[in-house]
Amino acid sequence: DSGVTQTPKHLITATGQRVTLRCSPRSGDLSVYWYQQSLDQGLQFLIQYYNGEERAKGNILERFSAQQFPDLHSELNLSSLELGDSALYFCASSVGGGWEQFFGPGTRLTVL
Amino acid sequence: AQTVTQSQPEMSVQEAETVTLSCTYDTSENNYYLFWYKQPPSRQMILVIRQEAYKQQNATENRFSVNFQKAAKSFSLKISDSQLGDTAMYFCAFMNPSYNQGGKLIFGQGTELSVKP
Repeated sequence: DSGVTQTPKHLITATGQRVTLRCSPRSGDLSVYWYQQSLDQGLQFLIQYYNGEERAKGNILERFSAQQFPDLHSELNLSSLELGDSALYFCASSVGGGWEQFFGPGTRLTVL
Repeated sequence: AQTVTQSQPEMSVQEAETVTLSCTYDTSENNYYLFWYKQPPSRQMILVIRQEAYKQQNATENRFSVNFQKAAKSFSLKISDSQLGDTAMYFCAFMNPSYNQGGKLIFGQGTELSVKP
């Protein structure tokens, strides 16, 4: 158990819908990262927050957004979902940028 | 832009034997970190080992060790005394710890390792 929690574990929804994925970092960690793992794209970095502020952005679609709240938990919002958004979404946390990242169990999103 | 390449999509090894997984990367940076992560069938991402680019000594964690060749931009993982529980997908990852990079991980495509009894 890495200490990073993600909810829900599985999510099945339809095209065009909007979903929210939630992540709670390890106690004491200020940085949260979101990654997407799909068969065709592999593991890709989406976005990072540090203590509530956006620090780095990867290949995140405009339909996706994220935020980190004062209690340091983070949410990833995916809207206007397409079939290609089906993937495993990981959250990871670290003490700060440049430190070891510990991954949550992931949320499996299936878009039908 | 940094890239990470794992040229072996699949490998297999007999239990108790030694296996080496390859990884090459491309960067113009001098300060960076390299990692190996393991993803078993449960899909959990587990950190196996970490190497700082400024350290000449190769990192070791129990049965896992790396061969870090900075000039060649090569970072291979050696698993000694392979166990059935080592069966997993292994990902090589690069990190630039500078402020504007945020410490994001750039992953290779993965190597699926099967340990056979």
